[in-house]
Amino acid sequence: EDKVVQSPLSLVVHEGDTVTLNCSYEVTNFRSLLWYKQEKKAPTFLFMLTSSGIEKKSGRLSSILDKKELFSILNITATQTGDSAIYLCAVESYSGGGADGLTFGKGTHLIIQP
Amino acid sequence: GAVVSQHPSRVICKSGTSVKIECRSLDFQATTMFWYRQFPKKSLMLMATSNEGSKATYEQGVEKDKFLINHASLTLSTLTVTSAHPEDSSFYICSASRGGSTGELFFGEGSRLTVL
Repeated sequence: EDKVVQSPLSLVVHEGDTVTLNCSYEVTNFRSLLWYKQEKKAPTFLFMLTSSGIEKKSGRLSSILDKKELFSILNITATQTGDSAIYLCAVESYSGGGADGLTFGKGTHLIIQP
Repeated sequence: GAVVSQHPSRVICKSGTSVKIECRSLDFQATTMFWYRQFPKKSLMLMATSNEGSKATYEQGVEKDKFLINHASLTLSTLTVTSAHPEDSSFYICSASRGGSTGELFFGEGSRLTVL
């Protein structure tokens, strides 16, 4: 059974701090790993990672995948109160006909205090 | 704990037919369930919010007569794509909330719909 585990489940830091969120996975037929920021109406897509060791970056957010050790991290530098959200990690798996499964972790609830 | 299951995981149907997708919370009562559609660039679009025993609330631009949502019990919500067309082919995902203030959601594994 596919499994995605995120840690920590919750995290409280002060504005300006740097945070690292973790996601480990066990899936058969890995296709990609996705990070989302859950807020308001639907999770907002952040990154898709398919290759090991290649950092993806968007502003203060960055993420990297290690396919050997089966984990990914999401870094947020110089955090702001607007970064407060639940961050979701999801892994896509496939059976040859396109992406057939999406397994979500439980999320990390990040709270940024002023 | 807090497992959400979707069924079927894959379905192929002919154009014009209707398809039902189920979303079940296996070990908790879900006061609210949400249905999303995933687009090719991995973004998720919220289609509707479903509360047990009441009508679903659809997002703007989502046809409620085409995407019928029923939340008959605290553990089951269904999405029926009526008179499906090839453009309805997509990956549909549900999530469920136990309630409370944290906003924690539990996601199903998704259902891949292909309309021929």
